[in-house]
This record gives sequence, structure tokens and C-alpha cells, in this order.
Amino acid sequence: NAGVTQTPKFQVLKTGQSMTLQCAQDMNHNSMYWYRQDPGMGLRLIYYSASEGTTDKGEVPNGYNVSRLNKREFSLRLESAAPSQTSVYFCASTRDLLGGQFFGPGTRLTVL
Amino acid sequence: KQEVTQIPAALSVPEGENLVLNCSFTDSAIYNLQWFRQDPGKGLTSLLLIQSSQREQTSGRLNASLDKSSGRSTLYIAASQPGDSATYLCAVHNAGNNRKLIWGLGTSLAVNP
Repeated sequence: NAGVTQTPKFQVLKTGQSMTLQCAQDMNHNSMYWYRQDPGMGLRLIYYSASEGTTDKGEVPNGYNVSRLNKREFSLRLESAAPSQTSVYFCASTRDLLGGQFFGPGTRLTVL
Repeated sequence: KQEVTQIPAALSVPEGENLVLNCSFTDSAIYNLQWFRQDPGKGLTSLLLIQSSQREQTSGRLNASLDKSSGRSTLYIAASQPGDSATYLCAVHNAGNNRKLIWGLGTSLAVNP
């Protein structure tokens, strides 16, 4: 039982490059989330998926897209990376929108 | 608009001390409150979740209390150990249509041997 897994763990991009962050959970959870964490800003919600087939914007969705591929997987795509997207990205999942959240280990992204 | 505040931002204590971390929130209409632990360079680990109808939850040396009317929660750590050194975050789920978590900035705890 791996919980929530994220790939890659680290990534360096140049401005304008694109990439997809992958997230998978094996807890049969319905809801999944993408956060970014920046010093002094705390955790900010980018997008979430209440259930398979649905996605909604969070606080800071600009510059990102998401796909809920199936119940297990929720990916985050940066189409044209910018230095302001340098951050640590966390994926989380919950049984439902009001349940306790379980987090992945994070992806450290640097955009030069 | 719900705001979550954690004071102090940082705390350093000697090993063995009992300590209290504070979390306050501005809107008492919450569904639940959750405490997390984050080790440097790692993800978040859920410690305790308190439903709005509960007053406290316990897990081992940890006890979390909730007072909705005053907008406060405390995380009590008994007999602190160096392994407790981490950042502790609290987050609240608002009642109603907004089902997203509102996060505090955390308290960075150092327990010194």
C-alpha cells in the first residue's frame, strides 16, 4: 500500500518548457488535489477533483491544467513554465471532499 | 472570509517538555479541523482530525482540542522528543458549499536534546 505517489521528485525547466506532474493513489479515494507550497505563503490549492470525471479551479489555477485520468490518477500540466511557478507541488487525496487529506512526498520544481 | 493563524511561528524547547501549539480561525462555521506534521523536504502527514461536533482527539502523546465558539484549536504534545521536531500545520474545512481546506502557515518546532 503506497498511499499517494508523485513523479518526478525533482525537475528543472527552462522558461517556456512544458511538463506534466503525475500523481496516483491506491486508497480508492474519490477526491484528489494539487497544491503548491511557497515560503511565507503556505499551501495554496491549484485544482481539485471531487470525483472521477470532474475538476475545479482552486485559488491559483492560472498557468496550469489538470486531468483526472481515472479514479487513481490526477495529473498537473504546466504548458509554458514561468519562473513564478518555481515551487514545491503536492498532490493529496481524500475519501470525499470533507475527509482527512493524505499527501504525496512532493515535487520540487525549479524554472530558470 | 475564513483565515487561519498559527502562533508562534517558531518554537524551541528542551527535550521532555510538554508543549502547546495554537491554531485560531475567524469563522466558527467549520465542518472539521485537521492537524498535520511536515518534516523538512517531505510531504505532510495527517496527525489528528477533529469533527465540529467533537471537543478533542487523542493519538499517543498528541491531544488536539477544538473550541468552535472561540475559534481555537490547540495541539498538546506530551513529553516532547527530538523526533517531534517538524513544522505543524492546521487546516479547517468550512461548513457550507466551500469544501476546500483553509491552511495556517504552521509552527516550526525544534526539540533540543
